[in-house]
Amino acid sequence: AQRVTQPEKLLSVFKGAPVELKCNYSYSGSPELFWYVQYSRQRLQLLLRHISRESIKGFTADLNKGETSFHLKKPFAQEEDSAMYYCALRGSQGGKLIFGQGTELSVKP
Amino acid sequence: SAVISQKPSRDICQRGTSLTIQCQVDSQVTMMFWYRQQPGQSLTLIATANQGSEATYESGFVIDKFPISRPNLTFSTLTVSNMSPEDSSIYLCSVRGGAGDTQYFGPGTRLTVL
Repeated sequence: AQRVTQPEKLLSVFKGAPVELKCNYSYSGSPELFWYVQYSRQRLQLLLRHISRESIKGFTADLNKGETSFHLKKPFAQEEDSAMYYCALRGSQGGKLIFGQGTELSVKP
Repeated sequence: SAVISQKPSRDICQRGTSLTIQCQVDSQVTMMFWYRQQPGQSLTLIATANQGSEATYESGFVIDKFPISRPNLTFSTLTVSNMSPEDSSIYLCSVRGGAGDTQYFGPGTRLTVL
């Protein structure tokens, strides 16, 4: 069965500190992995996807198939990074998007 | 990117009534989805809205409770039938298409059932 696990409900860091939001997945094939972000009073939006291998707003995420993980990292957190972050998986047959429970990131001044 | 609008943005309804939520996209898209986000919870897929045929429902969701229409490639409706307080949630329309086959989300409809 497809499953996405984000073990941390809330992650609080100080501005300038490194941040890592954890995501583990369960899927028997080769999935696509995504990170979505929802800022306060805004709609859910795509932050990055593993196939793009890009850095968005200083965030990166590497797919580790051995550990079935797709952790989101940023070396220096900013206050404007405070938001709800969701890890999501889409199966290899290009079907539905399954979400993790979400991690609320709070960056304090 | 696809621009998605939903109506209504929020509503407060009485137990036992039904509410229809509309989703309009500014471009033709192949796939449309309906999600539910209960208070403090993540997004749960309700169904995939198929153009010209019956929606495909996920486990735990049935057509009688959540009938869905998709008359064309830019519009869909979700009805929440015979509502109870447990149906209080944010309901989100989502579409997939465009460059990179990205999935986009609407602003959501916040439903409160008394």
